[in-house]
Amino acid sequence: GENVEQHPSTLSVQEGDSAVIKCTYSDSASNYFPWYKQELGKRPQLIIDIRSNVGEKKDQRIAVTLNKTAKHFSLHITETQPEDSAVYFCAASRGGSYIPTFGRGTSLIVHP
Amino acid sequence: DAGVIQSPRHEVTEMGQEVTLRCKPISGHDYLFWYRQTMMRGLELLIYFNNNVPIDDSGMPEDRFSAKMPNASFSTLKIQPSEPRDSAVYFCASSFRGATGELFFGEGSRLTVL
Repeated sequence: GENVEQHPSTLSVQEGDSAVIKCTYSDSASNYFPWYKQELGKRPQLIIDIRSNVGEKKDQRIAVTLNKTAKHFSLHITETQPEDSAVYFCAASRGGSYIPTFGRGTSLIVHP
Repeated sequence: DAGVIQSPRHEVTEMGQEVTLRCKPISGHDYLFWYRQTMMRGLELLIYFNNNVPIDDSGMPEDRFSAKMPNASFSTLKIQPSEPRDSAVYFCASSFRGATGELFFGEGSRLTVL
């Protein structure tokens, strides 16, 4: 089955800095890669996703890049703000079924 | 739609007691997932259903855990007997295969087994 590794497990940055979270996956058939954000005590919610037919996708301050050859994808957050503090989960799945395998999560702390 | 609805939000019980967690998925969604979240293991997929049929229960830790989906609008996750190591937040999520693949999570049920 699919295995998703996520690093780092904890990331601490100053407000205004950039943050990068990296994930690798094992199943070369995976072609859908969502990212979920979970604020403290809340439910995980989708913030951005990317499919294997594109290499990069941006939405305001967040972007995701995908390297299918190397089987890794990354989340980039620019100009971080305290409200970006949360746990971020990457996931990988095959299109058609969309049964995601999640990474272990990255706790992002943005210091004011 | 009110989103995925889970109950109870919090449950405190004693070891050996039966625990039943409930979930109402978003209307029209054909996939339902049960996840367990702990600090040590992150988000673990326990079981998922497609059109009310259990497809993969390989994540269910042991026979003490069981899940049912009697109809498209209701699912239960039961633990009997419960043990302290079952303490976790249990999330239910639903999705519609024909759409984007996004999972919509409920608020979660925080279980504490004493």
